[in-house]
Amino acid sequence: QVQLQQSGAELAKPGSSVKISCKASGYTFTSYYISWIKQTTGQGLEYIGYINTGSGGTNYNEKFKGKATLTVDKSSSTAFMQLSSLTPDDSAVYYCARSHGGPRAFDYWGQGVMVTVSS
Amino acid sequence: DIVMTQSPSSLAVSAGETVTINCKSSQSLLSSGNQKNYLAWYQQKPGQSPKLLIYLASTRESGVPDRFIGSGSGTDFTLTISSVQAEDLADYYCQQHYSYPLTFGSGTKLEIK
Repeated sequence: QVQLQQSGAELAKPGSSVKISCKASGYTFTSYYISWIKQTTGQGLEYIGYINTGSGGTNYNEKFKGKATLTVDKSSSTAFMQLSSLTPDDSAVYYCARSHGGPRAFDYWGQGVMVTVSS
Repeated sequence: DIVMTQSPSSLAVSAGETVTINCKSSQSLLSSGNQKNYLAWYQQKPGQSPKLLIYLASTRESGVPDRFIGSGSGTDFTLTISSVQAEDLADYYCQQHYSYPLTFGSGTKLEIK
């Protein structure tokens, strides 16, 4: 069965970076894009961007350019998102989700990673 | 960016009732090429990830009960849940998958009386 397994919760200090992962299984990894979505109580669901897992090409929401960097390791069927220069506003649950090309709806989501930024 | 406006923000109904959730987009989600509307609905139960219910405005995802019905075209869309059950307690979100950046509605919290 299709699964997107995300890494564990992160506690980070302001100004630092975190890199979270999303390991896919149960399907042909390079046939689907992986997108990343931020969820907060105040802002709801926000689309960060996607990575074309076959070509490595990326598309970012302007709001997250310079904040998020998306990469992929095809050999391990894993997508990564690095968040840099963290501030308390980056505290959120981050989801990875797959879509069949883009733009499309997301048919499978990871379980989410809670990132907490605090000194 | 396409702005998605969802209403109501919350509602409480008794089991067996019918629920209607509305979603309005700031520009048309209808593709002139294939006449399809690029609007999805998700259900997020407490402590879980969002789950895809409906895509292309009215196509039910595999395994989704037929009491979940998506409708609408252009800029106005509706999710109807007929004969609501206790297990439908969740937040519901609309999302446009017409153009980047993809955007979501602010959500509707469904409570069961």
